[in-house]
Amino acid sequence: EAQVTQNPRYLITVTGKKLTVTCSQNMNHEYMSWYRQDPGLGLRQIYYSMNVEVTDKGDVPEGYKVSRKEKRNFPLILESPSPNQTSLYFCASSHRGAGLAYEQYFGPGTRLTVT
Amino acid sequence: RKEVEQDPGPFNVPEGATVAFNCTYSNSASQSFFWYRQDCRKEPKLLMSVYSSGNEDGRFTAQLNRASQYISLLIRDSKLSDSATYLCVVRGGMGYSTLTFGKGTMLLVSP
Repeated sequence: EAQVTQNPRYLITVTGKKLTVTCSQNMNHEYMSWYRQDPGLGLRQIYYSMNVEVTDKGDVPEGYKVSRKEKRNFPLILESPSPNQTSLYFCASSHRGAGLAYEQYFGPGTRLTVT
Repeated sequence: RKEVEQDPGPFNVPEGATVAFNCTYSNSASQSFFWYRQDCRKEPKLLMSVYSSGNEDGRFTAQLNRASQYISLLIRDSKLSDSATYLCVVRGGMGYSTLTFGKGTMLLVSP
């Protein structure tokens, strides 16, 4: 089954404790992205990756890191989480093609609470 | 001006009603347009792409007006299962792969 998986689905942690949210897709997509969703603010892009070893900042990259060592995986790293990073996080992937309207497939989301 | 604007709603309609949502975008260089549907606390899923000539998928009709920079979604014969938040999504501008999401319009269909 074609899918994007994220782990963990729920996480409660404390300020400053490093964490990683994993994201994996089995559709051989070139493009992967991380978003956060907050009430009243909608979905905002954190980082994206056009392909292996190619990453770039989205709209709200501060406090986050990513890596793309393999095509299927795109982990999101919070080196020192803070309470303002409490949010619902989505990973997404799609094929990449200039000018073409490729659908983005989203993972089920990770609800993160930082106390 | 916000990049993609939508009326947040909620739109409360009875079953069987026809409802329309509009969305405006600020970047005239935008290339592709979509409507996504998001159920409460779930991931967004593609409802339909929006083509320049307009397109229809069953009870759903999408229209694009590039001159006025707005997109519309019409839902006919609303079902209870249509209750969700509808996200207007625009691709293009600085990075062709960058998607910009509207904050969504909530639809509540009642019996």
